[in-house]
Amino acid sequence: ETGVTQTPRHLVMGMTNKKSLKCEQHLGHNAMYWYKQSAKKPLELMFVYNFKEQTENNSVPSRFSPECPNSSHLFLHLHTLQPEDSALYLCASSQDRSLAGASSYNEQFFGPGTRLTVL
Amino acid sequence: AQSVAQPEDQVNVAEGNPLTVKCTYSVSGNPYLFWYVQYPNRGLQFLLKYITGDNLVKGSYGFEAEFNKSQTSFHLKKPSALVSDSALYFCAVRDKRNNDMRFGAGTRLTVKP
Repeated sequence: ETGVTQTPRHLVMGMTNKKSLKCEQHLGHNAMYWYKQSAKKPLELMFVYNFKEQTENNSVPSRFSPECPNSSHLFLHLHTLQPEDSALYLCASSQDRSLAGASSYNEQFFGPGTRLTVL
Repeated sequence: AQSVAQPEDQVNVAEGNPLTVKCTYSVSGNPYLFWYVQYPNRGLQFLLKYITGDNLVKGSYGFEAEFNKSQTSFHLKKPSALVSDSALYFCAVRDKRNNDMRFGAGTRLTVKP
């Protein structure tokens, strides 16, 4: 689990606050992901970064803003969130996104998550 | 659409008994299938995957899964359950159109002493 770290582990924020979630991977991977995990729902893929470039934004509200300054770090900036945004936010990385776009069978490695509560 | 389904929210087994956690998939072409486990307050951990070849895949912690193309299933199994196997289990499929991982809703496994 030390391959992918996330901070903070827990965050409580009001709807008018601005906060950021941080993810760091120590595995030398070239792709990083943000997922939202809510109770009894499938993991929701939010953002994908491949070689530091954002390749997907799955209809995520603009109050969530990702940033990937390099291939080892990924941030999720939060602003004016809603109570329904309370969830576990998981970061993952993998070594599988080729520039040619070929499908990969490599697994993803997950961080421990940040438990976010929006009041 | 590329997807997986886990028909059981909850599975309960007694320690020492065999366990099965079910997963069915819906993909075009040959699927890449995965199982992950999530312990409390932890991220998902990779257990095993099916890419090609032998339909019986062996993974971590004594788990295995059987790929069944005719039934479009990829059930997770273990011959003898441990209390420490109690966790949330996720089946996933690689969407080859965009390389995304599609996860099921999860099955909570409880192993009682």
